[in-house]
Amino acid sequence: DIRMTQSPSSVSASVGDRVTITCRASQGISRWLAWYQQEPGKAPKVLIYAASTLQSGVPSRFSGTGSGTDFTLTINNLQPEDSATYYCQQANSFPITFGQGTRLEIK
Amino acid sequence: QVQLGESGGGVVQPGRSLRLSCAASGFIFNTYAMHWVRQAPGKGLEWVAMIAYDGSNKYYAESVRGRFTISRDNSKNTVDLQMNSLSAEDTAVYFCARDPNASGWYGSFDYWGQGMLVTVSS
Repeated sequence: DIRMTQSPSSVSASVGDRVTITCRASQGISRWLAWYQQEPGKAPKVLIYAASTLQSGVPSRFSGTGSGTDFTLTINNLQPEDSATYYCQQANSFPITFGQGTRLEIK
Repeated sequence: QVQLGESGGGVVQPGRSLRLSCAASGFIFNTYAMHWVRQAPGKGLEWVAMIAYDGSNKYYAESVRGRFTISRDNSKNTVDLQMNSLSAEDTAVYFCARDPNASGWYGSFDYWGQGMLVTVSS
């Protein structure tokens, strides 16, 4: 199975800041990576797929980069509604696997 | 608009069975693969199973293989998850989710249901 490791596990930042979350795959997954945002008590919402393609309707301050084993999710100009847990997920091969999540707190 | 809605959850004793169902609307159901993803209380996301748009291919997480069965009825726009030999480790919110790739699969999830809690407890 492909292990997905996210860092940091949690981060605290202020409105207007930029935050970067990293995700490392235990083996190369090309660009078969998606990022999700999950607010407490809600279903996850896809932000980015194919490593860098923004899902329709997602604000452009979210961006993704990377290929192979190393990926990043960047959130520019943090907003209060960005407080959530973020997950990366590999779609390269079965079983599909997720990172452990990064909790983002807005100060 | 795309809508997914799970039903069938609840409390079940260890070793017993439960069947979840997900009703889909707002898209051409028989052209999309469907997944089940679960989340134990306070934990992260775990993919459970996928079924191809025509039911021809099915994949499972190792943790449920041999105990869970995914199926679909394209005439009713539903996807089910039959869960047997349940244990406390299966306690989770179960989400059905759509794969974004029509007539194939990509392996990610563009629409999710609201989730259904399954509690395995005596």
